[in-house]
Amino acid sequence: KNQVEQSPQSLIILEGKNCTLQCNYTVSPFSNLRWYKQDTGRGPVSLTIMTFSENTKSNGRYTATLDADTKQSSLHITASQLSDSASYICVVSRISGGSYIPTFGRGTSLIVHP
Amino acid sequence: DARVTQTPRHKVTEMGQEVTMRCQPILGHNTVFWYRQTMMQGLELLAYFRNRAPLDDSGMPKDRFSAEMPDATLATLKIQPSEPRDSAVYFCASGLGQGAKNSPLHFGNGTRLTVT
Repeated sequence: KNQVEQSPQSLIILEGKNCTLQCNYTVSPFSNLRWYKQDTGRGPVSLTIMTFSENTKSNGRYTATLDADTKQSSLHITASQLSDSASYICVVSRISGGSYIPTFGRGTSLIVHP
Repeated sequence: DARVTQTPRHKVTEMGQEVTMRCQPILGHNTVFWYRQTMMQGLELLAYFRNRAPLDDSGMPKDRFSAEMPDATLATLKIQPSEPRDSAVYFCASGLGQGAKNSPLHFGNGTRLTVT
């Protein structure tokens, strides 16, 4: 069964601290993995994409890693800011019938306190 | 910036009433997804279109839900009759499908549905 599991479910950190969010998946055949950020009351927005051959990719203070062998990914946030408070969703796409079908994790809710 | 537009943003209705949610995908995008988001389940795929043709609606309760794309600029999701358990935020997303696998999905800001 194609599944994406994220941990922790929620996280509270102080402004300026770092944090790491985890994503494990069983989606097959694997096409790519994306991290999305969803602010309250808004739709998710893509932060970064990882393909099979990529191990690390950065987007500003966000760094995503991918281990395709263990089917794990992480999103590391450096020097957190209040605006980082959001839900972070791991999405793994598979190839099916010539199309790319995404499977969503339930997200990690991050709260950054001043 | 091009955006996916969803209407209405909020809808409160009584059980048994018909609900229609609309989505205008980004011009040029050939894939459209409908998702439902709840606190308990996260984002659940309801239906998926490519080039206006429905490819997968296995996640949708067929007896009460229907999804259509009457043209390339409009996707609709209807619930008839609505039930309290349908209360959720419904998101539409569009993207470039086959041939552009690295294209992200662009989400609208959702329709928050409350069925009393």
